[in-house]
Amino acid sequence: IQMTQSPSTLSASIGDRVTITCRASENINVWLAWYQQKPGKAPKLLIYKASNLESGVPSRFSGSGSGTEFTLTIGSLQPDDVATYYCQQYVNYWTFGQGTKVEIK
Amino acid sequence: QVQLVESGGGLVKPGGSLRLSCAASGFSISDYYMSWVRQAPGKGLEWVSYISATSSYRNYAVSVKGRFTISRDNAKNSLSLEMNTLTAEDTAIYYCARGGSGTHIDYWGRGIQVTVSS
Repeated sequence: IQMTQSPSTLSASIGDRVTITCRASENINVWLAWYQQKPGKAPKLLIYKASNLESGVPSRFSGSGSGTEFTLTIGSLQPDDVATYYCQQYVNYWTFGQGTKVEIK
Repeated sequence: QVQLVESGGGLVKPGGSLRLSCAASGFSISDYYMSWVRQAPGKGLEWVSYISATSSYRNYAVSVKGRFTISRDNAKNSLSLEMNTLTAEDTAIYYCARGGSGTHIDYWGRGIQVTVSS
């Protein structure tokens, strides 16, 4: 299963609403996770099963979608959100998207 | 708290071998699938392998199948990855992760660098 994220890079202002899209090459139901990776650090789980917020993750992060199209939304972009974000399907082995780098404008 | 600590990385020549280990604490790995994920320099995340709680099931990415072997020692709460016939394309940071077939990753190790170069 191929996972395609868009955009590859995103530049937005503090307080902006930011949306990242992830498309699967076939139906993965809701078996999708989102991770945040800051430079030099390990990834961190944000969202699992498409829309479930991991404990301790700020509520400005949300996930939606099912089937082949999914979105990660940051409700109000903060400086601490500068990172690369990856989606991952886990219905058939594991596949990650290529990543979306989020920067502050 | 849950911790995963990788060790055993380093510099190895093409064609060589290396064994990575992952020491888990704060939970019992016997209750979980465990996995390895890698990240080549400047690239994205790539799943390498996972192993079921009782070692009954092991799966590998096509890129490493036949060269890498995943194993676990539940008594020692540890996970291993034996890597053989290494090539430059195996150069990456290798992460130990909790999770596997049908599940997401809820904890990651800090990662360990593996460099394959002559």
